[in-house]
Amino acid sequence: QKEVEQDPGPLSVPEGAIVSLNCTYSNSAFQYFMWYRQYSRKGPELLMYTYSSGNKEDGRFTAQVDKSSKYISLFIRDSQPSDSATYLCAMAPGAGGTSYGKLTFGQGTILTVHP
Amino acid sequence: DAGVIQSPRHEVTEMGQEVTLRCKLISGHNSLFWYRQTMMRGLELLIYFNNNVPIDDSGMPEDRFSAKMPNASFSTLKIQPSEPRDSAVYFCASSVDRGPLGGYTFGSGTRLTVV
Repeated sequence: QKEVEQDPGPLSVPEGAIVSLNCTYSNSAFQYFMWYRQYSRKGPELLMYTYSSGNKEDGRFTAQVDKSSKYISLFIRDSQPSDSATYLCAMAPGAGGTSYGKLTFGQGTILTVHP
Repeated sequence: DAGVIQSPRHEVTEMGQEVTLRCKLISGHNSLFWYRQTMMRGLELLIYFNNNVPIDDSGMPEDRFSAKMPNASFSTLKIQPSEPRDSAVYFCASSVDRGPLGGYTFGSGTRLTVV
């Protein structure tokens, strides 16, 4: 079993739709939770991050973490064609030990927003 | 800021040949991560350095892979001898410190094809 599971999709939605992307994980040591966006033939770029459980909002994007269920989500409101990319969740353990700073990524979900 | 610079962008080589991938960190960053991305396995951490010292190389698939960081701004990943199953996109990323919330900056990747 992988430490981080993410449905690769692909996911295709019309412009303006609300998009929900999700990941589950099995490692209880994970304390930091991130979402990266990767455009075709580019490296991933950090979109949002959260520490521990809760919600975080940034413009059209909302990240949620439920540590009790080991489940994280990214919501995109009013999706735009420019949001078309691969979205990867990433997680890391807390400070201390050699694993600190070591990100474990999900498989990535391919999202297409069509006009 | 030129970002993380990787070279070459594309590499096609024959099985058995030596391959060297190069990465230049962002000035001031002191952590360096090498990742490999494939459709089947997603983004996998191979090795990471902090202040030029290898911290975790448990992701290096086998002895054919080696990574060095001869100075604070430059790293190489070498595969010798290369095999077709090494075909993937190889990314390096750098950050200000090991902490995951420091924000990893990824390069644009080297697309390696071993025939």
